[in-house]
Amino acid sequence: DTAVSQTPKYLVTQMGNDKSIKCEQNLGHDTMYWYKQDSKKFLKIMFSYNNKELIINETVPNRFSPKSPDKAHLNLHINSLELGDSAVYFCASSQGVGPKNIQYFGAGTRLSVL
Amino acid sequence: AQSVTQLDSQVPVFEEAPVELRCNYSSSVSVYLFWYVQYPNQGLQLLLKYLSGSTLVESINGFEAEFNKSQTSFHLRKPSVHISDTAEYFCAVSEMIQGAQKLVFGQGTRLTINP
Repeated sequence: DTAVSQTPKYLVTQMGNDKSIKCEQNLGHDTMYWYKQDSKKFLKIMFSYNNKELIINETVPNRFSPKSPDKAHLNLHINSLELGDSAVYFCASSQGVGPKNIQYFGAGTRLSVL
Repeated sequence: AQSVTQLDSQVPVFEEAPVELRCNYSSSVSVYLFWYVQYPNQGLQLLLKYLSGSTLVESINGFEAEFNKSQTSFHLRKPSVHISDTAEYFCAVSEMIQGAQKLVFGQGTRLTINP
C-alpha cells in the first residue's frame, strides 16, 4: 500500500490552462504539505494543512489554491498556468506539527507547462 | 530563518569506495536534522534523522551521519558504496513557522557510483 499517493504522475498542459493535482495519505496523519522542486532540484515548501486548516502559506501566488476536503486529502489547484510553474510537486504528510516530526513524501507530480 | 548548505552539487565515486556528502546548517538553539534520498524518478525517502541523544545516527543500509554542533554540520558518510546508492541526497533542517513545522532543504547532492 502506498502511504502518500499523488495523481497524476505526469501532467503536460498549455499556458493559461487550469489543472489540479490530488494527494491522499493512508497513514492516519493530520498534517499535509505541498512542496515544489524546481529544475535545479531545489525543494521549497508551499503550503501546510493541519486538520483541514491552512497553517503555512509560503508567499505562493494566488493562482495556487490548496484544498483539504478531509485530513487524508490535500489537493492543489493551479489557475492560469505559467511557464514558470513547470516543476515537480511533492505532497507530504506527518503526524502533528512539531519540529521533530518525520514527513513522508509522495512520488511527485511532474508538471510541464508548454 | 534557517538555511542549509550542501557544499557539493555532484559527487562521483567508484563502487566500494567511501563517500562523504557534506551538509552545514545555520546555527539555532534547537536543531533537528534529516537526510532524505531521492532515487531516479522517485519521491523522497527518509534516510536518517537527528532529533536528540547520540550525535552519530545510522541508517539500515550502511549510511551514517554525525551531528556536530560546533561546526554546525551534519555530514553523511558511507564506508563502501554500491551502484544502488546512486541517487540525489538532500539534507534538511526542521524549522517552525506560524506554529507549524516546515523542512528547509539544501540544494541536494547527486551521488554517482561508477563501476
